[in-house]
Amino acid sequence: SQKIEQNSEALNIQEGKTATLTCNYTNYSPAYLQWYRQDPGRGPVFLLLIRENEKEKRKERLKVTFDTTLKQSLFHITASQPADSATYLCALDGNFNKFYFGSGTKLNVKP
Amino acid sequence: KAGVTQTPRYLIKTRGQQVTLSCSPISGHRSVSWYQQTPGQGLQFLFEYFSETQRNKGNFPGRFSGRQFSNSRSEMNVSTLELGDSALYLCASSLSSGLGNTIYFGEGSWLTVV
Repeated sequence: SQKIEQNSEALNIQEGKTATLTCNYTNYSPAYLQWYRQDPGRGPVFLLLIRENEKEKRKERLKVTFDTTLKQSLFHITASQPADSATYLCALDGNFNKFYFGSGTKLNVKP
Repeated sequence: KAGVTQTPRYLIKTRGQQVTLSCSPISGHRSVSWYQQTPGQGLQFLFEYFSETQRNKGNFPGRFSGRQFSNSRSEMNVSTLELGDSALYLCASSLSSGLGNTIYFGEGSWLTVV
């Protein structure tokens, strides 16, 4: 099965800076990779999906890259705000909604 | 449009008991999947249902079971509860379950086993 690695250490950055989160996976390259945001005590919320043939995807202040050679995805939040503080999860598609999730990286944006 | 609704939100059970958790998907969504989230193991897939049929199952013991009704609502059951079953149980729904599909999570049911 897939193994997904995200930096377990919290990422602390200053407001206005760009946050970059990393997701590495082993085994097969998925056709799709997704990023979710999870706030404490809440369910994950979908943010972005990127396909294997897309190198980069953007949505407002968010940007995701997908490198199937490196087996890595990077998730960027530009002009970060304290409201962006949350845990961000990387997820890989499996059959019939069997997603493989990383353990998540906690982002702290300080004012 | 209402989101995924899970009940109960919090519950405490004793070892050996059983528990049933309920999930109402987003209107029109026919696929319902269940996940367990713990600090140590993260989010792990339990099973997925589509049109009342279980189509995929994760690596959990047979004590974990589920079902889906004709209105797409789903329940999951855990029998003979163990302390290690304490977790956040998340339900997610989607229109279908093909690759590239997006799933929408509920707020989860917090289960504490004492």
